[in-house]
Amino acid sequence: DAKTTQPPSMDCAEGRAANLPCNHSTISGNEYVYWYRQIHSQGPQYIIHGLKNNETNEMASLIITEDRKSSTLILPHATLRDTAVYYCIVRGPNAGGTSYGKLTFGQGTILTVHP
Amino acid sequence: GAGVSQSPSNKVTEKGKDVELRCDPISGHTALYWYRQSLGQGLEFLIYFQGNSAPDKSGLPSDRFSAERTGGSVSTLTIQRTQQEDSAVYLCASSLVGGANEQFFGPGTRLTVL
Repeated sequence: DAKTTQPPSMDCAEGRAANLPCNHSTISGNEYVYWYRQIHSQGPQYIIHGLKNNETNEMASLIITEDRKSSTLILPHATLRDTAVYYCIVRGPNAGGTSYGKLTFGQGTILTVHP
Repeated sequence: GAGVSQSPSNKVTEKGKDVELRCDPISGHTALYWYRQSLGQGLEFLIYFQGNSAPDKSGLPSDRFSAERTGGSVSTLTIQRTQQEDSAVYLCASSLVGGANEQFFGPGTRLTVL
């Protein structure tokens, strides 16, 4: 699976948009971009994923560049409860390949939302 | 509906003892993954189950670690002759098989080896 690069930490004011960048320049054609977050002492929580197109759900938006070499996770109105470690992960499908969809976690970005 | 559950939530054991950690995946999820998270290593993959078989065991750190899954549901991770470096949070995740199905994680079992 392709490796990702994220800034180690970011700050955001409560109520503002948080934009978390991720570089994945070696991504392959069948690999998806996933975002998870981990709030202290909890298991990772799925946020969103995409292949080529931009995606939006109730939690966040995912913007993927046309060449798919980078992406941005957007939390539109950050709250204090969004303080967490955010992981950008590139993975293949969990069937038909040798990676079986396992997630390879990097160090992630520590997002701190302050009042 | 019910999410992934794990038990126990905390386990303290003495060096050299065996431990068993349990994972109950989301009903209907054929794929099951074990990961562990330790201070020095971050979050790392251990083993993957598809149904009751484990086509990927590449992350198991030593032969003291084993896992099984029965009935395509519950999975048990066993660590024999525990060592202090086994201390970590052990996380289980499950998903549907195929395509881009996301993994749902349990709360983890915090293992402390004294």
